[in-house]
Amino acid sequence: EVQLLESGGGLVQPGGSLRLSCAASGFTFSSYALSWVRQAPGKGLEWISGMSSSGIYIYYADSVEGRFTISRDISKNTLYLQMNSLRVEDTAVYYCAKRHVSVVATFDDWGQGTLVTVSS
Amino acid sequence: QSALTQPASVSGSPGQSITISCTGTNSDVGGYNYVSWYQQHPGKAPKLMIYEVSHRPSGVSDRFSGSKSGNTASLTISGLQAEDEAYYYCSSYTSSSTVVFGGGTKLTAL
Repeated sequence: EVQLLESGGGLVQPGGSLRLSCAASGFTFSSYALSWVRQAPGKGLEWISGMSSSGIYIYYADSVEGRFTISRDISKNTLYLQMNSLRVEDTAVYYCAKRHVSVVATFDDWGQGTLVTVSS
Repeated sequence: QSALTQPASVSGSPGQSITISCTGTNSDVGGYNYVSWYQQHPGKAPKLMIYEVSHRPSGVSDRFSGSKSGNTASLTISGLQAEDEAYYYCSSYTSSSTVVFGGGTKLTAL
């Protein structure tokens, strides 16, 4: 059974930093592309970053480009999202999502999410 | 990248069929057959319901179907059931190799 378990969320002041983790199990971690998707309170889904299965290709949404960094540790089966220069508008539940094995831009497994609150 | 356009809400009576539209541009929905639909119940993670415009993952009811014409994709739910009441989001691959979601549609089963 695929499991994605996010952690690292919490309350942070504007301008601060936070690192989210997504511990994966139940599949071959290095064979799948993974993404981070967030959802502001009462709002819709927003894709913010993705990494290819090879780890070579990395993409970001304009809203986080230059502030957020996606990375992974294959030895720990863990995906990360380093978030710097946080803004109030970054407040959201952050989901880790596993891409379909052969279909781009399709997320067939999701974690339960971790809440990030940016507030003074 | 602007969000795809979905109606804010749709409703239907049990047993009826409803359709949710998702409008994008030639750079996303119209340019690729990588349109997906997700169902999300309050407080829960999204669930994949349709991928590649019209394909259903294993375990998803055949009451759910998808289609696309030009820059607009559609999700149809037939034989509406109470448990279908949820938010539905479309998404598409984009020419920038990113993913864009729709704003979401709240489905109410009357």
